[in-house]
Amino acid sequence: SQKIEQNSEALNIQEGKTATLTCNYTNYSPAYLQWYRQDPGRGPVFLLLIRENEKEKRKERLKVTFDTTLKQSLFHITASQPADSATYLCALDQSSGYALNFGKGTSLLVTP
Amino acid sequence: NAGVTQTPKFQVLKTGQSMTLQCAQDMNHEYMSWYRQDPGMGLRLIHYSVGAGITDQGEVPNGYNVSRSTTEDFPLRLLSAAPSQTSVYFCASTLGQGFTEAFFGQGTRLTVV
Repeated sequence: SQKIEQNSEALNIQEGKTATLTCNYTNYSPAYLQWYRQDPGRGPVFLLLIRENEKEKRKERLKVTFDTTLKQSLFHITASQPADSATYLCALDQSSGYALNFGKGTSLLVTP
Repeated sequence: NAGVTQTPKFQVLKTGQSMTLQCAQDMNHEYMSWYRQDPGMGLRLIHYSVGAGITDQGEVPNGYNVSRSTTEDFPLRLLSAAPSQTSVYFCASTLGQGFTEAFFGQGTRLTVV
């Protein structure tokens, strides 16, 4: 069955450092992969989408890589700030293509 | 734009009661879906719709019904609530198939006692 794995351990880093989050998947051949941010008590918010033919995508301090051979995406936040503290979710298209399957998310805590 | 609006934000039900969680979007999106989020389980797909009159089951559909009579609305019905349905429910909408971001509502926190 399709599986999306994100590091369940919370990631604690110091302000200014680069945070790197990992998303691994099995039994998928995704056309694209998405990353979302979720704050406590709120719905997920879209951050970035990367297509299968793209190796890397950037948006301001965010960078996503996508390796379809390794079946892995890395999500980087450079010059991290306490305001980046949140849970980050990886998502792939569900088998029908009409909705998304999500990983369980990784909690990021950026301390001053 | 309001985006995706869910009501209510909080609800407590007794076992066996029924209720409808409302979801409305004003972005003219074709696709809508319902997820539940439980600690340690992540977001799990309950039902989804690809347009008015068309719905299908997701990963965890048992105990839930949906219908889509208009593009804007996608209500989720619990016919006979059970404690196992205690969860946070999110509605999402997407413009169309593939390559597009999903917009989420603020969620409904449901407790079944």
